[in-house]
Amino acid sequence: DTAVSQTPKYLVTQMGNDKSIKCEQNLGHDTMYWYKQDSKKFLKIMFSYNNKELIINETVPNRFSPKSPDKAHLNLHINSLELGDSAVYFCASSRDPAYGYTFGSGTRLTVV
Amino acid sequence: GQQLNQSPQSMFIQEGEDVSMNCTSSSIFNTWLWYKQDPGEGPVLLIALYKAGELTSNGRLTAQFGITRKDSFLNISASIPSDVGIYFCAGQRGSNYKLTFGKGTLLTVNP
Repeated sequence: DTAVSQTPKYLVTQMGNDKSIKCEQNLGHDTMYWYKQDSKKFLKIMFSYNNKELIINETVPNRFSPKSPDKAHLNLHINSLELGDSAVYFCASSRDPAYGYTFGSGTRLTVV
Repeated sequence: GQQLNQSPQSMFIQEGEDVSMNCTSSSIFNTWLWYKQDPGEGPVLLIALYKAGELTSNGRLTAQFGITRKDSFLNISASIPSDVGIYFCAGQRGSNYKLTFGKGTLLTVNP
């Protein structure tokens, strides 16, 4: 079983569309994250939830909205997609950040 | 926000050579971690460090938590082609829930 699974793996869409990325973890971790990796491979945190509660909300356009229906799931919805949103989005989970995160394999979003 | 300065940005080496990369910060971190990212995959944890001065090994990898708590380094000995990838350092401060990542070191190993 995959510990942190994201769907879809690839997403190609037109500007202005709305899309969602789903993430599920079966590790029993309390905290989940969304990171964005740009073309230069820089990993930047977007959001974090702890037991369904939003605890980190970095400077992210409000077109991005996370939702955590339960502590095993963290989804990311993006409205009115722009070209600059093209990136790889990683979901991750942790018991405690000091022990590191477990990352999903990423969703490559391409906005055309 | 917190910044971790990771160097070098990229390295191109011959198989069998040793590799060293490091991460520095102007702030103190309580935990240092090193990750490796293979193409098309998410980063995978290699080594975690929790105490200043700590030296930890994982096979051919050795990492150290700097005495000042503001830096860490990773060594890879006798590199092999499968060592190719991007290596990231990451640090955690206090009870903050997030990790701050360095910008990565792209390692290429020539067989």
